[in-house]
Amino acid sequence: EAQVTQNPRYLITVTGKKLTVTCSQNMNHEYMSWYRQDPGLGLRQIYYSMNVEVTDKGDVPEGYKVSRKEKRNFPLILESPSPNQTSLYFCASSLGTNTGELFFGEGSRLTVL
Amino acid sequence: GQNIDQPTEMTATEGAIVQINCTYQTSGFNGLFWYQQHAGEAPTFLSYNVLDGLEEKGRFSSFLSRSKGYSYLLLKELQMKDSASYLCAVRSARGKLQFGAGTQVVVTP
Repeated sequence: EAQVTQNPRYLITVTGKKLTVTCSQNMNHEYMSWYRQDPGLGLRQIYYSMNVEVTDKGDVPEGYKVSRKEKRNFPLILESPSPNQTSLYFCASSLGTNTGELFFGEGSRLTVL
Repeated sequence: GQNIDQPTEMTATEGAIVQINCTYQTSGFNGLFWYQQHAGEAPTFLSYNVLDGLEEKGRFSSFLSRSKGYSYLLLKELQMKDSASYLCAVRSARGKLQFGAGTQVVVTP
């Protein structure tokens, strides 16, 4: 089944404890991206990647890192999480930068205490 | 940069038609998307417009005017299950994708 898989789906952690949210797609998509969703603010893009080893900042990259060493994986790293990073995170992918549909993962709800 | 505006909430009755407008400003346009999102779930794709005009897909249609920086999503024959948030998103030439804050559609019996 074609899908985007995120892990973990739910996580409660404490300030400063490094964490990684994994994202994997099995559709051979070139384009992958991360978003956070907060009430009243909608989905905001954190980072995106147009291909392996190519990443760019979105609108809210501060406090996050990403890597794209393989086509299928695009992990989101929070080196030192803070409470303002408590949010619902979505990973998404599409075939290419200029092609249509963006497929979303199921979301990862992160709480930083 | 990009700036996307859409209404916060709209209410309509079952069987009716609702039109959700989206205006945007972008440096380098490369497509406009509409997504549906139910609370607590991932967004699901509804439509994609890159050229001017109307795209029809069943009960849902989307229109784009690039010169006006304007799009709308038309939902016909509303059903209760259409109660959701509808997200307008614009992609730039470099692949950056920005979403509007979403329009909450409430369908009443």
